[in-house]
Amino acid sequence: SQTIHQWPATLVQPVGSPLSLECTVEGTSNPNLYWYRQAAGRGLQLLFYSVGIGQISSEVPQNLSASRPQDRQFILSSKKLLLSDSGFYLCAWSRGTPEGYGYTFGSGTRLTVV
Amino acid sequence: AQSVTQLDSQVPVFEEAPVELRCNYSSSVSVYLFWYVQYPNQGLQLLLKYLSGSTLVESINGFEAEFNKSQTSFHLRKPSVHISDTAEYFCAVRKAGSARQLTFGSGTQLTVLP
Repeated sequence: SQTIHQWPATLVQPVGSPLSLECTVEGTSNPNLYWYRQAAGRGLQLLFYSVGIGQISSEVPQNLSASRPQDRQFILSSKKLLLSDSGFYLCAWSRGTPEGYGYTFGSGTRLTVV
Repeated sequence: AQSVTQLDSQVPVFEEAPVELRCNYSSSVSVYLFWYVQYPNQGLQLLLKYLSGSTLVESINGFEAEFNKSQTSFHLRKPSVHISDTAEYFCAVRKAGSARQLTFGSGTQLTVLP
């Protein structure tokens, strides 16, 4: 069966510090991978998605970046965090084909920038 | 592009009462529809989905949703809610024929009161 791992679960970082959140998927190959952010009182905002190694699409311009160094690894990074980067970050995967499958989400990372 | 509207951001309801969480979508093509549930500080879990066939779909914990193509709706219902159903619920749509991402609604916080 497929599993998705996301870590760390919680993180408190000072403004201006770097960030690295990691997500890995097991039990499948060539998944579509996604990073979402959920700010307090708001819905899900798609940040990045990837359909293959080295292929990253950005949905929202900001000081975050994503990378996919391996087929089942997706990393969210920042060189300098802002207060507005605080939120709940969710990684998810889906099959590219066949169609109709929804997403499977990781357990999330609660990021607080202080 | 498709979009999803969840009309109610907050729905308080007493235990054992019925509930309906509304979801409307806009798309000019065939879509797949999903409901996700998120408990506090956790990732999203798939509750149920409509891909094709019967327009009424059910989950294992008593929720059901009906796809209404003419009204472009996919409302979520439960005849009798429990305290444990307190969570945030997200409706999502994926365009048929697309291997790309889901579009999520803004979420509805269901609070079940004793």
